[in-house]
Amino acid sequence: GENVEQHPSTLSVQEGDSAVIKCTYSDSASNYFPWYKQELGKGPQLIIDIRSNVGEKKDQRIAVTLNKTAKHFSLHITETQPEDSAVYFCAAETYKYIFGTGTRLKVLA
Amino acid sequence: NAGVMQNPRHLVRRRGQEARLRCSPMKGHSHVYWYRQLPEEGLKFMVYLQKENIIDESGMPKERFSAEFPKEGPSILRIQQVVRGDSAAYFCASSTAATNEKLFFGSGTQLSVL
Repeated sequence: GENVEQHPSTLSVQEGDSAVIKCTYSDSASNYFPWYKQELGKGPQLIIDIRSNVGEKKDQRIAVTLNKTAKHFSLHITETQPEDSAVYFCAAETYKYIFGTGTRLKVLA
Repeated sequence: NAGVMQNPRHLVRRRGQEARLRCSPMKGHSHVYWYRQLPEEGLKFMVYLQKENIIDESGMPKERFSAEFPKEGPSILRIQQVVRGDSAAYFCASSTAATNEKLFFGSGTQLSVL
């Protein structure tokens, strides 16, 4: 069935450095790739998304890239801040959304 | 515009009891998804519903679990005869359409089975 792999599972960076999280998906019919941030005790929040007809999208310090041929997509956070610390999930969608296993990001002050 | 509303936030049940989790999607959203999350784990797809229809329930156990999304009222995830292994956070999400649309999550229901 559909599968989304996400790496790394944990990531620690110094404040101000960049963080990169990578995902691969198995279903070539997937056309929509959102990223979510989940803070402790809360539901996942959509932070950025990308559709298959676009290779890159940027929103302030956050960017997402997509390589449909290789079935890879990545989240890039620049100038990280302590409030970026959370668990981040990628997802791939055909008609249902399949999530990666999550990356726990710690930004060290 | 209120977001996805889930209640209760916390639900405690004894083994063998029934758990009913409610989800009101965002206004204008007719597609509802339920996900289950264990501590330190990802979001596992359970079921996808449109109004009055179950579209995909491939992630939901065949026994004891059921879901509905009636024409009027919230979506309900029902777990009968709960066991300790059912303890988890259950998240509901909604969207406006079936594909290529933003999915918005509620705050979840934390189910604890004693």
